Amino acid sequence: DTGVSQNPRHKITKRGQNVTFRCDPISEHNRLYWYRQTLGQGPEFLTYFQNEAQLEKSRLLSDRFSAERPKGSFSTLEIQRTEQGDSAMYLCASSSGTSGGPNTDTQYFGPGTRLTVL
Amino acid sequence: RKEVEQDPGPFNVPEGATVAFNCTYSNSASQSFFWYRQDCRKEPKLLMSVYSSGNEDGRFTAQLNRASQYISLLIRDSKLSDSATYLCVVPFSGGYNKLIFGAGTRLAVHP
Repeated sequence: DTGVSQNPRHKITKRGQNVTFRCDPISEHNRLYWYRQTLGQGPEFLTYFQNEAQLEKSRLLSDRFSAERPKGSFSTLEIQRTEQGDSAMYLCASSSGTSGGPNTDTQYFGPGTRLTVL
Repeated sequence: RKEVEQDPGPFNVPEGATVAFNCTYSNSASQSFFWYRQDCRKEPKLLMSVYSSGNEDGRFTAQLNRASQYISLLIRDSKLSDSATYLCVVPFSGGYNKLIFGAGTRLAVHP
C-alpha cells in the first residue's frame, strides 16, 4: 500500500499522559498536513510542513501540542498532558506540491489515529 | 459566519433518486473548491475538484456560482454505495493550501 499511513490507529490514554502519533506520507510528497476531526464536524487544520519546515500552525495547536518532521519524510504529533477535550480523530494528509500550484494540490488523507482520553 | 457552511442533513433517499447538496463559503478570493466523501469512521477521500463553473464525473455534477459564493453537488441515480458524508472543502486563500472543511452532509440511500 503506497498511501498515507498512520500509527497507531487507536489510542486510549488517561488524562495527563503524553501521547505521540506518527504519519508516513506518500513517498516523495513534500507537503504534510495534520488535521483534527471531532464527531459531527469536518476536519480542522492543525499544522503544515513543507519538507522539514513547519510553515504554519493553527491557533488550535496549543502549547501542549508539538509536531515535527525531522528529515522531511515521516512526521510525529505529540500531545502532552492530555485532556478529555483532546479526544478526536487526528488525520494526516500529504500532497506533492507539484500539480498546478498551491490551490490545486490534491491532499491525500491517511486513515487517522483515534484518540480517547479517559 | 462560518467559512464553509453546508446543508445539515441527513438526507434519506431511495435508490435511483437524485439528490443535491449545497455549500456556501465566505472568502470571495477562493479559486478552487473540492467535494470529499467520508465513509463512517474512515478518512476523507477526494470526490471532485471544481475550478471553473462546474465539473461532471459520471453521476456526479458539481457547480460553482462565484457571485453567490455557492457550490453544489448533484448525485443522480443514487446507489446504496453512495451512502456517506459529503464534505465541502475550500482551500484557504492565504497560502499553503490548508483546507477549510464544512461540517459535512450525511446521505443515506435506502433500498
